[in-house]
Order: sequence, then C-alpha cells, then structure tokens
Amino acid sequence: AQSVTQLGSHVSVSEGALVLLRCNYSSSVPPYLFWYVQYPNQGLQLLLKYTTGATLVKGINGFEAEFKKSETSFHLTKPSAHMSDAAEYFCAVSDRKDSGAGSYQLTFGKGTKLSVIP
Amino acid sequence: AAGVIQSPRHLIKEKRETATLKCYPIPRHDTVYWYQQGPGQDPQFLISFYEKMQSDKGSIPDRFSAQQFSDYHSELNMSSLELGDSALYFCASSLLPASPNTEAFFGQGTRLTVV
Repeated sequence: AQSVTQLGSHVSVSEGALVLLRCNYSSSVPPYLFWYVQYPNQGLQLLLKYTTGATLVKGINGFEAEFKKSETSFHLTKPSAHMSDAAEYFCAVSDRKDSGAGSYQLTFGKGTKLSVIP
Repeated sequence: AAGVIQSPRHLIKEKRETATLKCYPIPRHDTVYWYQQGPGQDPQFLISFYEKMQSDKGSIPDRFSAQQFSDYHSELNMSSLELGDSALYFCASSLLPASPNTEAFFGQGTRLTVV
C-alpha cells in the first residue's frame, strides 16, 4: 500500500523567502509523484509531477520538486514566496500502472497550508 | 479551454435523503475519477471509470454508486445520506488511463452538506 506524509500542516513564510514543503512517500513500486495546489473553495490544480526521467521537476508558478529515491522524498520548493502562493498544497502518489485499464488512483497527503506574510 | 464541470456546486440535503452529483469531463477524456474531501481532510479516492466501465474502486461506501454514460459524463448517486457524508466531492478526468504523459484534471467540486 502506498502512503504520503507531509511534514507540517501549516507553514508560514515571509514574502520573498524560500518556500519548502516536505513530502515523503512509501510505495512498493516506483511511483508517480504529484504536487497539487488548492485555493479556498477551488478544485485541485496540478503544480508538477514526476513520472520518469529527470529527478528535478519544474512546475508552474516557479515551483519545483526533486525526487530523491534514497530518501523517498519529493519536497516542493520555490525560491521566493509571493502573496498569491498562499493556499493549501497536497502531495500525492500513484502506483505505476504500465498496461491495462489502470487509473490515476491518487493517494494524497494530509496537505500543508502555506501562509505568506507581507 | 474547457474544464471539468461539476454540478451542482453546492447541495444541502437532510439525513436519509438521496443525492446525485454530476461530472462532465473535458471533451474527449474517457476516464473519470471521484474523490471525497472531508472538512480539513485530504481527498480520498472513491471510484473511477474508463470507457464506461468501472476501472478502480477505493473507499466508496455501499450506499454510494456511480456510473459513466455513453457521452462519458458520470454521476455519483448517494443514498441514505449521513452527516458524515458532508464533504467536497471532486471529479477528475483524463484521456486514457495512467501513462507518463497523462494528467488528471480536477473539477471545482460539489460541496455537499447533510443536515
């Protein structure tokens, strides 16, 4: 069974400061990994994903994440926080399904609420 | 660009009533997923459909059922509603099941309140 642990349910950073949201996963097979952002009363928007290839993944809005297999981590970073980054961020994992009618069954972490202080 | 459309956006029901949530995937998407997000919780996978057939089943209660129709829209039917069913229900759609280049797009959700 796969699982996701997000350290810190609430993170506060100053505007312009580094954003670091932590995510560790467990999966019995090499996983697909995702970060989603959710603004209040909104749906989930994909920020970035790791499937294969380069372990440093760049996403939208200046975010990036690095897949570290040895640490089973997929931490999300952004060099300089902006007020508009305030939202809840979910890390998610999906088992690889290489064939057949598999689906994007995602297992989400509990989420981290990011606050940006002016 | 067209997105995943869910209706209604908000729904208030009483205990023991039934509710039907609808999801209209992005055009040409053939796979639909349903997730339930309780207050302050992470989204939990309920069920998914590919080409009108159930493809995966998660933590969907027996009181709930879902189907995907010939036009690929999906409906989640919920009966004997309980207070604990109050949640945000997300639908997502993708073109083809999981592959490295597939992305699941989420709708804005239906907020169900059971009173």
